[in-house]
Amino acid sequence: SSELTQESDVSVALGQTVRITCQGDSLRNFYASWYQQKPGQAPLLVFYGKESRPSGIPGRFSGSRSGNTASLSITGAQAEDEAVYYCNCRGNTALELLVFGGGTRLTVL
Amino acid sequence: EVQLVQSGAEVKKPGQSLKISCRTSGYNFTNYWIGWVRQMPGKGLEWVGIIYPGDSDTNYSPAFEGQVTMSADKSITTAYLQWSTLKASDTAIYYCTRTRTAGELGSAWNHWGQGTLVTVSS
Repeated sequence: SSELTQESDVSVALGQTVRITCQGDSLRNFYASWYQQKPGQAPLLVFYGKESRPSGIPGRFSGSRSGNTASLSITGAQAEDEAVYYCNCRGNTALELLVFGGGTRLTVL
Repeated sequence: EVQLVQSGAEVKKPGQSLKISCRTSGYNFTNYWIGWVRQMPGKGLEWVGIIYPGDSDTNYSPAFEGQVTMSADKSITTAYLQWSTLKASDTAIYYCTRTRTAGELGSAWNHWGQGTLVTVSS
């Protein structure tokens, strides 16, 4: 199966650390990429690969993988990090090359 | 500077046809995969499919196979997504996006268009 499962909603207190997870069989073979989407905006790549962060993305965003689970961590969450976060990965079959997770709505309290 | 600029919002009736565009600039159009992503109102992101403009190789997500057609015009560095018969359920924002690495179908997509809102209503 190429399905990716994320928590629907996660909250974090301002300045604290939060982890968002993404589970799926294909994550055993491929790294995830993570996207932040704010209302009315296109998605923004915030982390990808084993340990890569695009230029301009704050260092408080980091990623990891263990078994079939990928995680995006935000260390010292800021108000501007409130958004929906999506994981994305290659699929395990030729029929479904790419898959998104269902998205996690992050609330910064 | 890499740019992906999409065509404007469309309002159509069920049964009509439509072709939306993604005009690119600032890089070698033929060397990077372009993807199309659907976002229905209030919902998450879904892959429609991907196209490699260098040879027009395409891959459609199973839910979209036979429902839409992707194409690319190398002469004007523009990618297209088209419908021959629209349905109300096609109402959504459609984004085009480009891979981070030339020639590689990785999972990282670091350039996105602004999105095209397609509304299908009688």
